[in-house]
Amino acid sequence: EAGVAQSPRYKIIEKRQSVAFWCNPISGHATLYWYQQILGQGPKLLIQFQNNGVVDDSQLPKDRFSAERLKGVDSTLKIQPAKLEDSAVYLCASSQRPTKGWTEAFFGQGTRLTVV
Amino acid sequence: GENVEQHPSTLSVQEGDSAVIKCTYSDSASNYFPWYKQELGKRPQLIIDIRSNVGEKKDQRIAVTLNKTAKHFSLHITETQPEDSAVYFCAASTNKFYFGSGTKLNVKP
Repeated sequence: EAGVAQSPRYKIIEKRQSVAFWCNPISGHATLYWYQQILGQGPKLLIQFQNNGVVDDSQLPKDRFSAERLKGVDSTLKIQPAKLEDSAVYLCASSQRPTKGWTEAFFGQGTRLTVV
Repeated sequence: GENVEQHPSTLSVQEGDSAVIKCTYSDSASNYFPWYKQELGKRPQLIIDIRSNVGEKKDQRIAVTLNKTAKHFSLHITETQPEDSAVYFCAASTNKFYFGSGTKLNVKP
């Protein structure tokens, strides 16, 4: 089956600029996650969607980050304006709708963002 | 939210030896505990998982144990090989995943 697709793979921007990342989850996966992975650290959950509704965005810096999942399929994550500390890999993951509370999350290749 | 702690942060073993990575979690509602392997520059990939109604699971050289009372779970890799070298992440989950900080495993030939 096709995996989680993300684009772009790499992005370099100057601080205070804006940037957007795109994610296409595995077909039929209702749950979509965006994670931020800073070098040497574990993935940190930014936002979780169930279909096109937000389940959890408690760790999303809402003053500069926004995300949407129109029609419950593709999703975009935007940063505006970017800061140096936003340099990280942004991972998108998807999973089937949880029924009993457990289900594997499949990750995309990630977008490596460098803010200079 | 959930807090997952993972130890050690780095682990170096000789080829053929065993490696053990340990994680603790805080939320007693967590009921799914996957382990991911991430090679340099690649996406995390699931290597094994365990559900809260099971105490141990094994898949060839890899095993995971879970102690719900103590809220800790461990990954065991036996007969390590150089290709096992990677960063390993544990996670605790209900329907969202909270990851540990990772363990960089280096298997020396």
